[in-house]
Amino acid sequence: DAGVIQSPRHEVTEMGQEVTLRCKPISGHDYLFWYRQTMMRGLELLIYFNNNVPIDDSGMPEDRFSAKMPNASFSTLKIQPSEPRDSAVYFCASSFWPETQYFGPGTRLLVL
Amino acid sequence: QQQVKQSPQSLIVQKGGISIINCAYENTAFDYFPWYQQFPGKGPALLIAIRPDVSEKKEGRFTISFNKSAKQFSLHIMDSQPGDSATYFCAASDKLSGGYNKLIFGAGTRLAVHP
Repeated sequence: DAGVIQSPRHEVTEMGQEVTLRCKPISGHDYLFWYRQTMMRGLELLIYFNNNVPIDDSGMPEDRFSAKMPNASFSTLKIQPSEPRDSAVYFCASSFWPETQYFGPGTRLLVL
Repeated sequence: QQQVKQSPQSLIVQKGGISIINCAYENTAFDYFPWYQQFPGKGPALLIAIRPDVSEKKEGRFTISFNKSAKQFSLHIMDSQPGDSATYFCAASDKLSGGYNKLIFGAGTRLAVHP
């Protein structure tokens, strides 16, 4: 298996632009997680899905962030409009059960 | 509020030495405690994990020690090697409504093993 696939790996955009991050989980995994990692705040859970349904979105910072999982093999995290404070590494992880998570390589986002 | 407190923030160890990273928690409902290892430019990867009914778990050079009464757990890396240089995160599994769980991560410890 290729593991969790994320795209793009790097994204540089200007403040106010829309950013879409993509994730393909490991086949057969029922859980999908979106995390944000920064030096100041560490690793934060943004949202997680079970069987394509959002279970916990309490970590989503504000309405500018949205996440979807239209099917078992694809999820997106969208930021609209983006702000410089959104600059971070965004990880997608998937798992068969929520306690043993497999992380993707991350998307490094820089908002200028 | 930091639910899982990890220390130290950074650690330098000589090759062959023992690396020790500590974590403390408050919520007694936490029931699973994994450690993740992250190399630069990569995502975290599960290293080893323990449940609170066990006081110690060993996998190769990596050992988790768990003290339920003190609400503390630690990672010991024996015979530390330069290839162990990475950031280590402890975590705890928190219960959500509906029978779901989510991981709460510590702030991370950056380990450097010098040859």
